[in-house]
Amino acid sequence: ILNVEQSPQSLHVQEGDSTNFTCSFPSSNFYALHWYRWETAKSPEALFVMTLNGDEKKKGRISATLNTKEGYSYLYIKGSQPEDSATYLCAYYTGRRALTFGSGTRLQVQP
Amino acid sequence: GAVVSQHPSRVICKSGTSVKIECRSLDFQATTMFWYRQFPKQSLMLMATSNEGSKATYEQGVEKDKFLINHASLTLSTLTVTSAHPEDSSFYICSALRGVSGGANEQFFGPGTRLTVL
Repeated sequence: ILNVEQSPQSLHVQEGDSTNFTCSFPSSNFYALHWYRWETAKSPEALFVMTLNGDEKKKGRISATLNTKEGYSYLYIKGSQPEDSATYLCAYYTGRRALTFGSGTRLQVQP
Repeated sequence: GAVVSQHPSRVICKSGTSVKIECRSLDFQATTMFWYRQFPKQSLMLMATSNEGSKATYEQGVEKDKFLINHASLTLSTLTVTSAHPEDSSFYICSALRGVSGGANEQFFGPGTRLTVL
């Protein structure tokens, strides 16, 4: 059984705050780590696919880092906006089976 | 690109009836699609992997006779919940793998179907 943990479970911040959350995954048999953003009533949207230890990827105000040796990834949002409100999912891939998802971090940004 | 649609978005049915959910890749071909289920406050749990032209691969604990999967074309997979019961009420979501298996397994998701069985 692969355990993918995300913390915190939920987060409320004010507009303009920067925030970050964590995805922990098994450090063995690592192939890729995915981040998705999931707004209510919409499809989960792929943010990043990360494969190399030390990787850092950026998309606008959102960035992510990856540490495969210790089994964690951080997602950062700089200057949060109300439209950033969503559930952020990470998913771990070993290269052999389908993705294993964490339960997500639900972000609410107050105007 | 890489849009996946799912229909219906919401369905309410009586206990004992069957419900079919469709998952379509609109602008790409998908030889592999995945079906997930999500219970409140839990992760997306993989139910089965749907392969075009062959039988689906079910995860442990998922009854293949209850959750029938058909992947008859490169753009359509269907999940039929047969003889639905209230405990089958859940959120069902599909995803499609663009390209061949291998690589980082980047999947594109549909918006999901909320099933309520009365």
